[in-house]
Formats: sequence, C-alpha cells, structure tokens
Amino acid sequence: DVKVTQSSRYLVKRTGEKVFLECVQDMDHENMFWYRQDPGLGLRLIYFSYDVKMKEKGDIPEGYSVSREKKERFSLILESASTNQTSMYLCASSSIGRFDQPQHFGDGTRLSIL
Amino acid sequence: AQSVTQLDSQVPVFEEAPVELRCNYSSSVSVYLFWYVQYPNQGLQLLLKYLSGSTLVKGINGFEAEFNKSQTSFHLRKPSVHISDTAEYFCAVSGSGTYKYIFGTGTRLKVLA
Repeated sequence: DVKVTQSSRYLVKRTGEKVFLECVQDMDHENMFWYRQDPGLGLRLIYFSYDVKMKEKGDIPEGYSVSREKKERFSLILESASTNQTSMYLCASSSIGRFDQPQHFGDGTRLSIL
Repeated sequence: AQSVTQLDSQVPVFEEAPVELRCNYSSSVSVYLFWYVQYPNQGLQLLLKYLSGSTLVKGINGFEAEFNKSQTSFHLRKPSVHISDTAEYFCAVSGSGTYKYIFGTGTRLKVLA
C-alpha cells in the first residue's frame, strides 16, 4: 500500500524555536508538497518540490523553508516559530508532470506554538 | 488563474437522505477536478476525479460527481448517506501547464441519526 508518512501527529513547541516537520513517501514520486490547513481557509500551499534539491514557493512561504536532499523525503522548517504558525500541516506527493493524477496525503501534523 | 469555490461550509443531513455538495471552479486552461474526503485527524483521501470523457464520474463509498463545463461546476452527490460519511469534503482543481492543485475551503458534512 502506498504511503506518505509524517513523522509526528502532534507537536508542541515554543515561540522562537526552530521546528522541523518531516515527510517521507514510498511511491517514488517526484513532486512533494507542504500545505497548511486552517478552519475556513482550506489548504494553502507553502512550498513545492519537483526534484531533489529543487523547490518552488507556494502561496504562503513566509516564515518557512524546506529541504529535499533525497527523493523520498521532504522537510518543512519553521526558522523561528511564532504563535500564528499554530496549524495543521499536511504533506502530499504526486507523479512528476502528471497533474491529472491525484495527490497522496499524509495524516498531518497538528502543530501548536506556545 | 484558477480558483475553487465551495459555497457551503457545513451541510447537515439525516441518515439515508441524499446529499449534494457544491463546487464551482474557474480556470482559463483545461482542468482536472478532484474530490477528497478528510476524516477527523487524518489526511485527505481521494474520492473521485474527472480528467476527460464522461461527465459523470463514480468514486468510492457510493459517491459520484458530475462535471458541467457550461456552469463550471463539479458537484458531489450521494443518494443515501451513512453516519460514517460524516467528514470534511474538499474540491480541488489542477490544470495543464500548472504545477498547482487549488483547493476549496471545504464542506463539513454532518450526518444525523
């Protein structure tokens, strides 16, 4: 069964901390995505990667960075966490160049910044 | 630019009743359309997709959707809902020449006993 795995389901961090959210997929997908999900706002794209070491900013990249050193792993980094980054974070993957194909999602990380 | 509108933020419906969740999109390119379901504390799962061909698309769990190009809609329907269908439903669009999937703001379906 294909799988996108996010390292933590729940995470609590303090303001100013550097936070790492990890995502691993076993489908050999080229595309990987990080979204933020907030009530009433749906899913908003933070960053997108279409290959190792390649990345593109999404709609809300401010305060975030990403790292893709291996094809199967895509990390989201909060450089200095703030309370307005408390949210649900979803990782997804899909086949390259195939935007007629659906994305596969992880179960999400619910992040609280205190 | 592409956009997706889900006008209903919440839809309550009694068990075994039919339901329709509305989705309208705008796009200047050919589109691919998707419906996803999200159960509490889980990620999104694909319900169905429209790529081309027949405008009536059948998905999992008895759901279906109809693509209407003239009305730029892709409404999701189920003839008889179950308690287990209680979840949030997201409509999404992607298109040729773009790497993005655009999601609607979601519709919470609550099935009442």
